[in-house]
Formats: sequence, structure tokens, C-alpha cells
Amino acid sequence: EDQVTQSPEALRLQEGESSSLNCSYTVSGLRGLFWYRQDPGKGPEFLFTLYSAGEEKEKERLKATLTKKESFLHITAPKPEDSATYLCAVQANSGYALNFGKGTSLLVTP
Amino acid sequence: DGGITQSPKYLFRKEGQNVTLSCEQNLNHDAMYWYRQDPGQGLRLIYYSQIVNDFQKGDIAEGYSVSREKKESFPLTVTSAQKNPTAFYLCASSFGTSGSGDTQYFGPGTRLTVL
Repeated sequence: EDQVTQSPEALRLQEGESSSLNCSYTVSGLRGLFWYRQDPGKGPEFLFTLYSAGEEKEKERLKATLTKKESFLHITAPKPEDSATYLCAVQANSGYALNFGKGTSLLVTP
Repeated sequence: DGGITQSPKYLFRKEGQNVTLSCEQNLNHDAMYWYRQDPGQGLRLIYYSQIVNDFQKGDIAEGYSVSREKKESFPLTVTSAQKNPTAFYLCASSFGTSGSGDTQYFGPGTRLTVL
């Protein structure tokens, strides 16, 4: 059975304090690993899709990396507006649905 | 502007009532999905549809029904058989391509509360 585990559940950072969020996964053949950002009361906003181990993608202060067992979302010099819940999901070769982790709630304080 | 719209934003249901949540997309996507989000849990798949007039059950389809009569629309009905319907409902769509990962884009969500 496909599984996605995100850690930590919650993270509090000072503005400018870089850190990483972890997404560990087991899947029977990976079609893609996805990162989303979700603000309270809103739908998830797409950030990145990663397809194979060794792949990296960047967007502003965010960088996503992928290995065969986990993905990291690195946040460099975060700002308060980066505060949100970050969701990780995997898509298996066998289907189209996304299997989501429970998310990491990030709070960046000034 | 291209995107996914969901309505209403908030919905209140009395026990024993059926309610329908609307989802429309103008992204020319073939595939559409319904997820449910509860506090402290990951998103869970209710139903999905790869093409018009065809849909499949997800992990938690009991108490829900869908239709896909048009490419742009995928309404979800929460029936009285759903025992715990209070949740945040999210609709998503994608191109539905095979091969490498098929990115799903989400609507703004509908919050359903049972009174």
C-alpha cells in the first residue's frame, strides 16, 4: 500500500532561518511526487512536480529535491508570507489519484 | 482567466438531506477529482473521472455520488447515507495524461457543515 509521511507536523521559524520539510514515501512505482501549499480555508496551490530521483526544482525561496525514498522542501531565508501548510503527495504508476501526507504546518515569525 | 470554481463556499445541511456541490473548470482538462479534507488528516479521494460519462470510486465513496455529463463539470452529491459529512471538500482537475506524473490543480473548496 502506498504511504506518505510528512515531518515535522509543525515547524516554527524566525524570519530568515532556513530549514527543510521532509516527505517520506513508499509507492509501487512512482509517476510523480507533488508539493502543494495550502493557506487556511483555501484549496491547495501547486508548487512542484518531481518525476525521478536526483531531480531538483526551485521557485523563489523554495527548492524541492527527490530521492528514491523521500523528498525535501528546502526553505531559504523564509518570510512571514511563507507561513502555510505544505502538502506532499505521490502518484503511483498504477493510477491517477494522489496519495497525500498529512502536511507540515509552517509558521514564520518576524 | 482559466481555473476551477467551486460553489457554494459554505454549505449547511440538515440531517437526512442530500446536497450537491458544484465544480466547474475551464482549463480544458479531461480528468476531474473530488477529495475530502478533515482536520489532522491528509486529503482522501472520493471519486474521480477520466472522461465524460465515466467515473470511478475512490477510497471513501460510500454515501457520495457523482455525474460527469460535461467535460467542464463534475458535481458531487452528499447523500443522507454519508454518516459524517462535515468536512472541507476539494475539487481538482488535470489533463489525465498517462506516463509521467499528471499534475492536479485544485479549486477553492466548499466547507460543508451538518446542523
